[in-house]
Amino acid sequence: AQKVTQAQTEISVVEKEDVTLDCVYETRDTTYYLFWYKQPPSGELVFLIRRNSFDEQNEISGRYSWNFQKSTSSFNFTITASQVVDSAVYFCALLEPYDKVIFGPGTSLSVIP
Amino acid sequence: DTAVSQTPKYLVTQMGNDKSIKCEQNLGHDTMYWYKQDSKKFLKIMFSYNNKELIINETVPNRFSPKSPDKAHLNLHINSLELGDSAVYFCASSQDRGAGGGHEQFFGPGTRLTVL
Repeated sequence: AQKVTQAQTEISVVEKEDVTLDCVYETRDTTYYLFWYKQPPSGELVFLIRRNSFDEQNEISGRYSWNFQKSTSSFNFTITASQVVDSAVYFCALLEPYDKVIFGPGTSLSVIP
Repeated sequence: DTAVSQTPKYLVTQMGNDKSIKCEQNLGHDTMYWYKQDSKKFLKIMFSYNNKELIINETVPNRFSPKSPDKAHLNLHINSLELGDSAVYFCASSQDRGAGGGHEQFFGPGTRLTVL
């Protein structure tokens, strides 16, 4: 069965520190998709990245980077030089084709000035 | 231009009442969803429609009834509201899942429902 685990419930860092949010998934399919979403205190859900199971290249977007490792079923998210505006709940999600998206429980990140 | 919009943003009502939440997307997407986010922030899908056809119907009390008049709209009607229905309800949309999906979802701003 599909499952997404985000073992870190809450993380606090001081501004400018780097922080990595962990995501481990379980799936029976060889084709699947992984996502990260951000939910800032204002409440909206913002799409950050999508990855399919055949593309293991890591991705960097500004201060954000993602490390996808099929061997460990992980799709971790790193924020470099964190800022207060990064404070949010971050969700990792998994989708198997023709199925529903399964969200992880989320990691609440607080960046302290 | 708002991509996915929901009304109302806040809904406060008494137990036993019936209420509706409306959702509209202007992205031209074929698939729309309703999610429930509880007080612990867990996000769980409730329903999904593809081109006005119900394709996902999770274990949700039948007091909840989605309606899709066209592929740009997906409304959620809730009968006989209970205290446990208090949550934030999100509407979302994505491109056609007919080819296997895999597309990201775009979410509305959410509707915070409080049942007293």
